[in-house]
Amino acid sequence: GQNIDQPTEMTATEGAIVQINCTYQTSGFNGLFWYQQHAGEAPTFLSYNVLDGLEEKGRFSSFLSRSKGYSYLLLKELQMKDSASYLCAVRDQRTGANNLFFGTGTRLTVIP
Amino acid sequence: DVKVTQSSRYLVKRTGEKVFLECVQDMDHENMFWYRQDPGLGLRLIYFSYDVKMKEKGDIPEGYSVSREKKERFSLILESASTNQTSMYLCASSAEVLTSGTFTDTQYFGPGTRLTVL
Repeated sequence: GQNIDQPTEMTATEGAIVQINCTYQTSGFNGLFWYQQHAGEAPTFLSYNVLDGLEEKGRFSSFLSRSKGYSYLLLKELQMKDSASYLCAVRDQRTGANNLFFGTGTRLTVIP
Repeated sequence: DVKVTQSSRYLVKRTGEKVFLECVQDMDHENMFWYRQDPGLGLRLIYFSYDVKMKEKGDIPEGYSVSREKKERFSLILESASTNQTSMYLCASSAEVLTSGTFTDTQYFGPGTRLTVL
């Protein structure tokens, strides 16, 4: 099966940088996604990594190391509206489908 | 923009009732998914469908069934609701999207239905 771990909660200060880590174990890795979910709302797509390295999208960046089974989401210049849960999800080619397996999410609180 | 809608935001039902949760997407996506989300457990896949009339079990299909009669609509059915099915239910659809120079299948979620079974 798949095993995806990420911290349950994090707190950071407005204007700062925060890194949310995700480790995974899967035998048929075929991509890693990050989603943002505000309380009571739907998850929204943030980023996708399938090759090693850093993908940058404005204030958000995502990094992947396939050999280490490790990814992180980096949020710069934190804003109050970034307070949300961040979900790490892995696609496993073994299922023969485009299904995602989600971690339990990291709840980020941004404080003034 | 992709739009995925779900029939209700909040629903309260009684144990033993038959419950229908409807999901509609307007982007002609082939793939549709039903998840439930519970504190401490994350999103878990119930059923998915890659085409009309097609359905496949996810990780936790017990107590649920689905229907996909039209491409844009994917329904989740609780044949006889139980209290342990109280949860947030999320529908998603997906399509190949060019992301970071690679085509990848990206899922887009509806707003969710919070179901309470009494």
